[in-house]
Amino acid sequence: GNSVTQMEGPVTLSEEAFLTINCTYTATGYPSLFWYVQYPGEGLQLLLKATKADDKGSNKGFEATYRKETTSFHLEKGSVQVSDSAVYFCALSETFQGAQKLVFGQGTRLTINP
Amino acid sequence: DGGITQSPKYLFRKEGQNVTLSCEQNLNHDAMYWYRQDPGQGLRLIYYSQIVNDFQKGDIAEGYSVSREKKESFPLTVTSAQKNPTAFYLCASTVVRGTGELFFGEGSRLTVL
Repeated sequence: GNSVTQMEGPVTLSEEAFLTINCTYTATGYPSLFWYVQYPGEGLQLLLKATKADDKGSNKGFEATYRKETTSFHLEKGSVQVSDSAVYFCALSETFQGAQKLVFGQGTRLTINP
Repeated sequence: DGGITQSPKYLFRKEGQNVTLSCEQNLNHDAMYWYRQDPGQGLRLIYYSQIVNDFQKGDIAEGYSVSREKKESFPLTVTSAQKNPTAFYLCASTVVRGTGELFFGEGSRLTVL
């Protein structure tokens, strides 16, 4: 079945550091890809998405490019802030018997120190 | 404001008791979902519904039940048959035949004592 693998955390960086969180996927066809962010005690919020190969999703300084050849969707940010501390989830969409579902990676906890 | 409302936010129950978590959306979405989140395990799909009066089991449906009597509502019951019910439960919704993007509620944290 389809699956998503994220780099293991936790990840701890200093403010203004460069961030990369790796995400690779296994899927039949060409699913849409997503990054969600979860702040403590809250639900998930969509951070960015890409719906086809070579698309770049971007939001709030974060970027990720849909790489079909490497089946990857790595999340990057050039200069992180303390407020970026959260858990980040990579996900892909799949369609099964007419129903759309998201398959999530295990999440990567990011802590940014001032 | 449109969105998804889950209640209660925190819930404590004794072992052996059934518990119902509420999920209401006013986004006019057809599809609704329940996920369970445990530390370090990501999100796992419990049940989903594409249309009123119809729902399907997800990957970990055992010990849970749902109903979909109205488009706006998709309550989840955690029964006494669920072996390890303490978890964070997330409800989500989306349009059918969209990009697959899910909109999430704030979650309900269930603790069984």
